[in-house]
Formats: sequence, structure tokens, C-alpha cells
Amino acid sequence: DAKTTQPNSMESNEEEPVHLPCNHSTISGTDYIHWYRQLPSQGPEYVIHGLTSNVNNRMASLAIAEDRKSSTLILHRATLRDAAVYYCILRGVFTGANNLFFGTGTRLTVIP
Amino acid sequence: NAGVTQTPKFQVLKTGQSMTLQCAQDMNHNSMYWYRQDPGMGLRLIYYSASEGTTDKGEVPNGYNVSRLNKREFSLRLESAAPSQTSVYFCASLDVPMGKLFFGSGTQLSVL
Repeated sequence: DAKTTQPNSMESNEEEPVHLPCNHSTISGTDYIHWYRQLPSQGPEYVIHGLTSNVNNRMASLAIAEDRKSSTLILHRATLRDAAVYYCILRGVFTGANNLFFGTGTRLTVIP
Repeated sequence: NAGVTQTPKFQVLKTGQSMTLQCAQDMNHNSMYWYRQDPGMGLRLIYYSASEGTTDKGEVPNGYNVSRLNKREFSLRLESAAPSQTSVYFCASLDVPMGKLFFGSGTQLSVL
């Protein structure tokens, strides 16, 4: 199964943009890139996902490299409520088992 | 909507005791998952069920059993609890068309 690599931690000042990177050099052509975040003492929640093109939603933007071996989650204006652990995972569309693996993620600290 | 409901929220066991963690979802999802999260760590997949009547091992299945009772319910059983199983356990279900995982709020388990 394709796995992802993320920095352990990042810091950002409040109201500034944040770029969270993810490397997935062994991604296959049918793997979707998903991002989740986990707020303190809660279960993870879905943020965004994409396949090839950049994606935007109300929470964030996802920029996918042309070769798809890396991606970046963009929070346009970090708030204190964005302090969380962010996970980048791959989901194979044609993987019969649909097993999903989370790594250790990136812990984002937002500085007031 | 309730989403994914886990019970109990907290549990303390003595070494060697058994217990079952319950999980139910009301979103008519086929796929369900059990993860564990140790302090300061990411999520590790214990077992998953791609559909009613099927279960498969994840990364760390030893010491656990699962039952997919019906489409709604997916339980995790510890037959003989060990201190190494002290963790927070999360259940999740997958909206396959959207590729989104929905997580429960977790069960904090301590084994003394």
C-alpha cells in the first residue's frame, strides 16, 4: 500500500496562510489524496480530497503536483481553531479491501 | 444525524479481563474500520470490514477480534486485555462514493 510522509510539526501565526506538505512518491494512478484533521480530544474529520486537479472547499485548498508525488494542503488564514494534527492519506479506488492507513500526521500550532 | 456512535466513552480494565467496544453508524455505509491511537501517535488500523459479513486484518490485529453484526454495527473485542492495549479506540465508516471517512468520538481504554 502506498504510504505518505509528512513533517512532524509546523507553526503558523494567526491569520497567515499555512502550507502543509505531503510526499507520496509511490502513489498509483488510481489513488486519491485525502486530508483529515484531528482536533484535540476528538476523532479525525474530513478536510478535502483530490485526484489530479487542485481542489477548493470552504475549509481549505489542495494543491497536487503535476507528477502527483506530492501535495500541499493550504489553509488560507489560520485561526486558533485550526490547531490540530493534519493527516494526508491515500485511498485506492480499485483496492478491493479499501483499507486506509494513517501515519503520524503534522501537528499544526497556531500562534496568536 | 447521529453519524458514528461508540460506546463506552471510557473504560478501565484489569489485565486479563475481556470487553467489547461497540460501534454503530446510521449512514448506510458498507465499509467500517477500527483504529487505535496511542498517546502522541497517529492512528493505526486494527481491523476493517468492507461489507456486511466480511472482515480483514489491518496493521495491528493481534489481541483483537471483530464482528460485523449487520450493516450498522461493527464491534471490537479484547478477549484478554493487556496493558499494551491501553489506547484510544476510534471506529469509522466510509462513504465510498465521496471517499469520506466519518469517525466516532472514541473510547478511552486503560488496562491496569
